[in-house]
Amino acid sequence: DAKTTQPNSMESNEEEPVHLPCNHSTISGTDYIHWYRQLPSQGPEYVIHGLTSNVNNRMASLAIAEDRKSSTLILHRATLRDAAVYYCILRDGNAGNMLTFGGGTRLMVKP
Amino acid sequence: DAGVIQSPRHEVTEMGQEVTLRCKPISGHNSLFWYRQTMMRGLELLIYFNNNVPIDDSGMPEDRFSAKMPNASFSTLKIQPSEPRDSAVYFCASSLADRNNSPLHFGNGTRLTVT
Repeated sequence: DAKTTQPNSMESNEEEPVHLPCNHSTISGTDYIHWYRQLPSQGPEYVIHGLTSNVNNRMASLAIAEDRKSSTLILHRATLRDAAVYYCILRDGNAGNMLTFGGGTRLMVKP
Repeated sequence: DAGVIQSPRHEVTEMGQEVTLRCKPISGHNSLFWYRQTMMRGLELLIYFNNNVPIDDSGMPEDRFSAKMPNASFSTLKIQPSEPRDSAVYFCASSLADRNNSPLHFGNGTRLTVT
């Protein structure tokens, strides 16, 4: 599986935007970029995914570099409830629905 | 929708005892996944099923672990005999197998402590 690299942790202030980076220099043409997050004492939850174009949904935006070797998850206005571990995962579009999780980024939000 | 339902929420057992974890996937989903999470190893995929059939069990640690999916609405993960190193949070997830990039929906997990 192609690997992703994320910072171990990041800090943000409440009500400010947060940019969570992810490097995936060995991404292949059929890999989709998925983001999940895990709130304390809960299972992971889906945030967003994309292939080549930037994507927006009610939770976040995903900005994908033109060469697809990196991407950024953008939370437009962080709240205390956004404090979680955020996972960037590459998923082969031809290989079924399984996900392989890495270490993720622990986001801390300060009031 | 109630989401993925796992039981029990917490399980404490003694070494050597049999442990059975249960999962009810979201109605209509035909892929089911079992994951294990520890501080040391993070989230690991143990096994997954499509249409009740095990597809990949390469993540199952050893013969003490077994998983079944007798029907589309129920799965079990059994550990027999349990050992202290099996202590972890076990998550079940479900999704739609026949839709590309269908997101996984996770339950809230079962925290297993083996003493």
